[in-house]
Amino acid sequence: QQQVKQSPQSLIVQKGGISIINCAYENTAFDYFPWYQQFPGKGPALLIAIRPDVSEKKEGRFTISFNKSAKQFSLHIMDSQPGDSATYFCAARILGNQFYFGTGTSLTVIP
Amino acid sequence: DAGITQSPRHKVTETGTPVTLRCHQTENHRYMYWYRQDPGHGLRLIHYSYGVKDTDKGEVSDGYSVSRSKTEDFLLTLESATSSQTSVYFCAISGGGERPETQYFGPGTRLLVL
Repeated sequence: QQQVKQSPQSLIVQKGGISIINCAYENTAFDYFPWYQQFPGKGPALLIAIRPDVSEKKEGRFTISFNKSAKQFSLHIMDSQPGDSATYFCAARILGNQFYFGTGTSLTVIP
Repeated sequence: DAGITQSPRHKVTETGTPVTLRCHQTENHRYMYWYRQDPGHGLRLIHYSYGVKDTDKGEVSDGYSVSRSKTEDFLLTLESATSSQTSVYFCAISGGGERPETQYFGPGTRLLVL
């Protein structure tokens, strides 16, 4: 059973557009929600993260929106650039630093 | 890669042979993890460690074993490799530094089982 469900599987966005990736979870024991960015041939790298007591967190062009009641969170990439083309994973952490990952979204930003 | 190395980086082996992958960290993080990454499945946890000699199974642990005799090293062994274990394997660490809740990933090991 997938603990964290991620959509869409792939996404194509024009340069300058907004990329939106969504994740949903069921386990209310999750207490930390990171997003990772992965380029081909590399390991995932932390992009931005949020805790459930905050509804939004912004770092540069990247924003996480968090809806605790709906058990959903999303990543918004503003002014998307070709260099943002990568695979993005959402994740959720539970006590003891166990993490559950979504299945990933392949983002392509077209010039 | 936050002071994490994996070896080997690439390996080709034959079905039925044992394989050991090594993860080494220089960050003194408490937790270490082994994941496999396959298309359509994202990152799936194989085993993790919450201290020296303290390990537990993840969601896809069948056919794998681990050992952690030192804080800095976490070994993943495929006891008898099968073609279904062809994958990219990532080691990760967490539980240290300024952001103990954050996981940091190694560069990955690409394993092909023929």
